[in-house]
Amino acid sequence: DVKVTQSSRYLVKRTGEKVFLECVQDMDHENMFWYRQDPGLGLRLIYFSYDVKMKEKGDIPEGYSVSREKKERFSLILESASTNQTSMYLCASRGRLNNQPQHFGDGTRLSIL
Amino acid sequence: SQQGEEDPQALSIQEGENATMNCSYKTSINNLQWYRQNSGRGLVHLILIRSNEREKHSGRLRVTLDTSKKSSSLLITASRAADTASYFCAPRGGYNKLIFGAGTRLAVHP
Repeated sequence: DVKVTQSSRYLVKRTGEKVFLECVQDMDHENMFWYRQDPGLGLRLIYFSYDVKMKEKGDIPEGYSVSREKKERFSLILESASTNQTSMYLCASRGRLNNQPQHFGDGTRLSIL
Repeated sequence: SQQGEEDPQALSIQEGENATMNCSYKTSINNLQWYRQNSGRGLVHLILIRSNEREKHSGRLRVTLDTSKKSSSLLITASRAADTASYFCAPRGGYNKLIFGAGTRLAVHP
């Protein structure tokens, strides 16, 4: 079974801090994704990566950056955390083909105080 | 937009009843996927139906797809309390990303 592991289930940070959310997958998947999920808004795509060192902006990239130095790891960075970035963050991975399912981690619930 | 829109937003039923959730989308697709999310967890892939398929089964799940109406439905038969979750459809066009809607919250009462 594919396993997608997010480093923290819960995280509390302060406004202005630089925040790193880590995601690791164990299936040698080419594609990895970062979403945020807010009540009533569903999942919104922040960034995705289709290969090492490659990244594409999703629908809401402002205030975020990403890093993919190794195939198995995809990091989401909040450059200067703000309270409106309090949310549930979900990482997913997928194989090379578009008709393959995405596999999700259990999420990180991030609170910015 | 490729985003799927689920309907209803919330559904409450008794154990043993069937649950039907609907999804509508706006553009042409290659396939459509359904996912489940238990409270506080990530999404789990349930089933994928290709654009040339009309119906697909997996255990107690039945998915239909009507490309002429740009709609899909997910039927869960003989529901159980453990089916309580949010359900999302994700239509896929020709590009790399899935776009999820807000989901249907299903509550199954013992």
